[in-house]
Amino acid sequence: QAVVTQEPSLTVSPGGTVTLTCGSSTGAVTSSHYPYWFQQKPGQAPTTLIYDASIKHSWTPARFSGSLLGGKAALTLSGAQTEDEAEYYCLLSYNSARLRIFGGGTKLTVL
Amino acid sequence: EVQLVESGGGLVQPGGSLRLSCAASGFTFSNYWMTWVRQAPGKGLEWVANIKQDGSEKYYVDSVEGRFTISRDNAKNSLYLHMNSLRAEDTAVYYCVCGRFGRLDFWGQGTLVTVSS
Repeated sequence: QAVVTQEPSLTVSPGGTVTLTCGSSTGAVTSSHYPYWFQQKPGQAPTTLIYDASIKHSWTPARFSGSLLGGKAALTLSGAQTEDEAEYYCLLSYNSARLRIFGGGTKLTVL
Repeated sequence: EVQLVESGGGLVQPGGSLRLSCAASGFTFSNYWMTWVRQAPGKGLEWVANIKQDGSEKYYVDSVEGRFTISRDNAKNSLYLHMNSLRAEDTAVYYCVCGRFGRLDFWGQGTLVTVSS
């Protein structure tokens, strides 16, 4: 079974920019993996920020953007705010979306 | 407003069974794929299973295949997860998630399942 990899932790300064990445043990991440990005704050259910690599929901703050970058899926936060401190998870689809696998999560600190 | 309310969690002994439910409202339930995702205490998210709008397609993660069954009742706007032969490693908060075209868009607040003797 594939393994989806994320940075365990990252730190960004308020107002700064940071990029989180999501890789696959099977090779390059492509649009066929339908990459997702989720945000989870302590004690809360996750919320969906990005789907299909780069498409935002209506509730997704404009400072978040998704892309495919260097064989990985990427989530870029531009102009970080303290409220963005959270765990971020990516999700990739395999076998024509019959199997979906989450990454281990990235703990983002805004400091 | 989309609402997903999970129920049915609790304490169960290893080898036991449990049925989780998810009551959906605020959208046309029969038009949406539905998914269960779980999160063990202090751990990351794990995709568990999903089911097509009419129930004709169901997919599972390997670790629950043959033990868990996902089902739905479109007349009752409800999703279910029947869990058998439960193990300690099934201890988690179980989230109900919905989305058009098989997406994961909206999440419930989750229900906690604890497998322990």
